Amino acid sequence: SQTIHQWPATLVQPVGSPLSLECTVEGTSNPNLYWYRQAAGRGLQLLFYSVGIGQISSEVPQNLSASRPQDRQFILSSKKLLLSDSGFYLCAWSRQGPGELFFGEGSRLTVL
Amino acid sequence: RKEVEQDPGPFNVPEGATVAFNCTYSNSASQSFFWYRQDCRKEPKLLMSVYSSGNEDGRFTAQLNRASQYISLLIRDSKLSDSATYLCVVNANYQLIWGAGTKLIIKP
Repeated sequence: SQTIHQWPATLVQPVGSPLSLECTVEGTSNPNLYWYRQAAGRGLQLLFYSVGIGQISSEVPQNLSASRPQDRQFILSSKKLLLSDSGFYLCAWSRQGPGELFFGEGSRLTVL
Repeated sequence: RKEVEQDPGPFNVPEGATVAFNCTYSNSASQSFFWYRQDCRKEPKLLMSVYSSGNEDGRFTAQLNRASQYISLLIRDSKLSDSATYLCVVNANYQLIWGAGTKLIIKP
């Protein structure tokens, strides 16, 4: 069966510090991968998606970046965090998009 | 107008009651529709897809009204475990657009 894991689950970072969130998928190959952010009272916002290794599409201009160094690994990064980057970050995969998404447990980021 | 709109609630419903909520969407070319469930501080999980003819899964019934551009979710014989936020998702032009969710609280 397929599983998806992301980490860390919770982090508190100062403004201006770097960020790295990691996500891995097991039990499937060549998945579509996604990074979403969820702010309180708002719908999920798609940040990045990837259909293959090294292929990243950005949906929203921001100070975040994503990379897919391996087929089942997706990384969300920032060189310098802003206060507005606080939120609940969700990694997800799908067999072929967009259809059913399977989410990781989420990473709750607080930027102080 | 938001692309996908939901009443944020909360809907406070006694256990055993029937509850329904709607989700409206703005893109008439939307192709597919889903309901996800999200527990507090957890990740969303697919509850059910919504088919043109309507579909049922146990106590849950989903319906689509293309003419009025909304989908609905009905929960019968509600359980305490149904308490969650229900997210409406619309596939428009191969992009998933998420509603902000409707919070449901089932009271004993």
